[in-house]
Amino acid sequence: LAKTTQPISMDSYEGQEVNITCSHNNIATNDYITWYQQFPSQGPRFIIQGYKTKVTNEVASLFIPADRKSSTLSLPRVSLSDTAVYYCLVGDWRNFNKFYFGSGTKLNVKP
Amino acid sequence: DARVTQTPRHKVTEMGQEVTMRCQPILGHNTVFWYRQTMMQGLELLAYFRNRAPLDDSGMPKDRFSAEMPDATLATLKIQPSEPRDSAVYFCASGRGPEDEQFFGPGTRLTVL
Repeated sequence: LAKTTQPISMDSYEGQEVNITCSHNNIATNDYITWYQQFPSQGPRFIIQGYKTKVTNEVASLFIPADRKSSTLSLPRVSLSDTAVYYCLVGDWRNFNKFYFGSGTKLNVKP
Repeated sequence: DARVTQTPRHKVTEMGQEVTMRCQPILGHNTVFWYRQTMMQGLELLAYFRNRAPLDDSGMPKDRFSAEMPDATLATLKIQPSEPRDSAVYFCASGRGPEDEQFFGPGTRLTVL
């Protein structure tokens, strides 16, 4: 069963690119990797999901190396409103296995 | 703007009382999830429904927790009897399918005294 590890916190400045890495050494063959964003007093919000290589959408990119033991969420040109907690989730929804959220990375974007 | 709704938003109760939390998933979504979030444990998946059938509730303490979907527009999470350690924010989320993104509700903040 995959468990995830993330840095507790990160600091950045407006306009910078931010990369948050999640380690999941025991990821299974059918596990997907999903990232969520959470603001205080709100539910998590989906950012991006991938299985391997690179996935990009309008808000972020997700890089997954060939061994899939880690993944990196990349946020281009962050703004103050990107200050939030970012969670990495690994699991296989189709086979209903146990899912694991990372403990979250608190991103603090400074002006 | 379709959203997942949860009621109540806040609940304070005394130990031993029954607590029922309700969730209305987004219309057309066939997967529903219940999560619990605490400072100590973070986000934990409690139960997972697909087409109203419970598929995984291994994360839920079975002796006191129960989750149901009486119909496609309502999911419930019940705790009986409640204990102080159940104090947490409970989130419901729904999605079109197991691999699609999940849309989270605003959560129910439960305090058990």
